[in-house]
Amino acid sequence: AQSVSQHNHHVILSEAASLELGCNYSYGGTVNLFWYVQYPGQHLQLLLKYFSGDPLVKGIKGFEAEFIKSKFSFNLRKPSVQWSDTAEYFCAVPSYSNSGYALNFGKGTSLLVTP
Amino acid sequence: GAVVSQHPSWVICKSGTSVKIECRSLDFQATTMFWYRQFPKQSLMLMATSNEGSKATYEQGVEKDKFLINHASLTLSTLTVTSAHPEDSSFYICSARGRTGTFEAFFGQGTRLTVV
Repeated sequence: AQSVSQHNHHVILSEAASLELGCNYSYGGTVNLFWYVQYPGQHLQLLLKYFSGDPLVKGIKGFEAEFIKSKFSFNLRKPSVQWSDTAEYFCAVPSYSNSGYALNFGKGTSLLVTP
Repeated sequence: GAVVSQHPSWVICKSGTSVKIECRSLDFQATTMFWYRQFPKQSLMLMATSNEGSKATYEQGVEKDKFLINHASLTLSTLTVTSAHPEDSSFYICSARGRTGTFEAFFGQGTRLTVV
């Protein structure tokens, strides 16, 4: 089954620093990729998604991600983080399992942005 | 984006009792609904999927008699944790997908279940 791995489990940045969170998927072929964010006490929200076409995907709140097929990667970036970006970030990929296709999530990266 | 509402947001129950969690798609028809479980500081683990017109399908290791899922309509799914025990305490999240032809899903706000 398709899976994703996130390498950074905890990241601490100062405001205005640049952010890059890693996400690698397990194997090639047609792949859809997602980044979700979970703010403290809130539900998962979609940041951005890649289905096909331009490998540089722009999402909400200034986030972007680049699909690099040769590296099996879909890293999330933001040039200048804000305190309000403090949250848990999850990379996800559709994966076929016992119950059909569902989103399979990485372990998540906890981002803390300090003033 | 589409809205998924989950209720209650948190619940405390006594060991041995059952708890029902509701998940509603408010502005679209959810042909597929998913139930996940999230342990503290960990990722979401898929428990089961229910498709329109068919029974829920459970992931390996998930007890279907303990976690009863009903996809009553295209806008409502329920998860009932039967005879809950402290080890069932967790954060349960529902997700719904419509007839978009993509894999994008929308998430409820989650339910914090504490069994005492």
